[in-house]
Amino acid sequence: NAGVTQTPKFRILKIGQSMTLQCTQDMNHNYMYWYRQDPGMGLKLIYYSVGAGITDKGEVPNGYNVSRSTTEDFPLRLELAAPSQTSVYFCASSYKVKGANNQPQHFGDGTRLSIL
Amino acid sequence: EDQVTQSPEALRLQEGESSSLNCSYTVSGLRGLFWYRQDPGKGPEFLFTLYSAGEEKEKERLKATLTKKESFLHITAPKPEDSATYLCAVQAGYSSASKIIFGSGTRLSIRP
Repeated sequence: NAGVTQTPKFRILKIGQSMTLQCTQDMNHNYMYWYRQDPGMGLKLIYYSVGAGITDKGEVPNGYNVSRSTTEDFPLRLELAAPSQTSVYFCASSYKVKGANNQPQHFGDGTRLSIL
Repeated sequence: EDQVTQSPEALRLQEGESSSLNCSYTVSGLRGLFWYRQDPGKGPEFLFTLYSAGEEKEKERLKATLTKKESFLHITAPKPEDSATYLCAVQAGYSSASKIIFGSGTRLSIRP
């Protein structure tokens, strides 16, 4: 099992450019998440998905979009990149059964994004 | 407002010197508290889940405990390879995944 795989690992964008951060998992997890981590700060939830075709906003969704067409993939789209979006982005997945306890998240190794 | 606070921000210990990291929380409807370890340039790696006050989990030199207001991660006789940032996360609320709150972490450094 590869777990959660994120690409690219590093990227530099110019202000106003767009890009898609890729995330795929091979654990058949139904829940997937996107976080950003700024220096000295905790992980902030951007968007999450509870299954294919279902997405919802987290704490900091502005400037981002997501889609979930398959169980495995959960890409994050940045439109019109701004310097405030310079951060490390982490994708995570977990398995949740209705009525059962929440299971821990499995994380990818992140995408380091700089907007100049 | 739901909040998770970790202390201290940074901790430097000598090899073998035991200590504890704290995670205090104010949330409505705790559904689970998670401890993760994060190495530089890597994603968080799961350590423990605690679901109710009084629960304890152990793994090698680490032991996690939970009360109604806080959790402790006890490190006994640490080694240099235990150096990392330790993150605490709380899942709160009774609906979906929207209320997962991470603390800002404790950077632990163990000197040989």
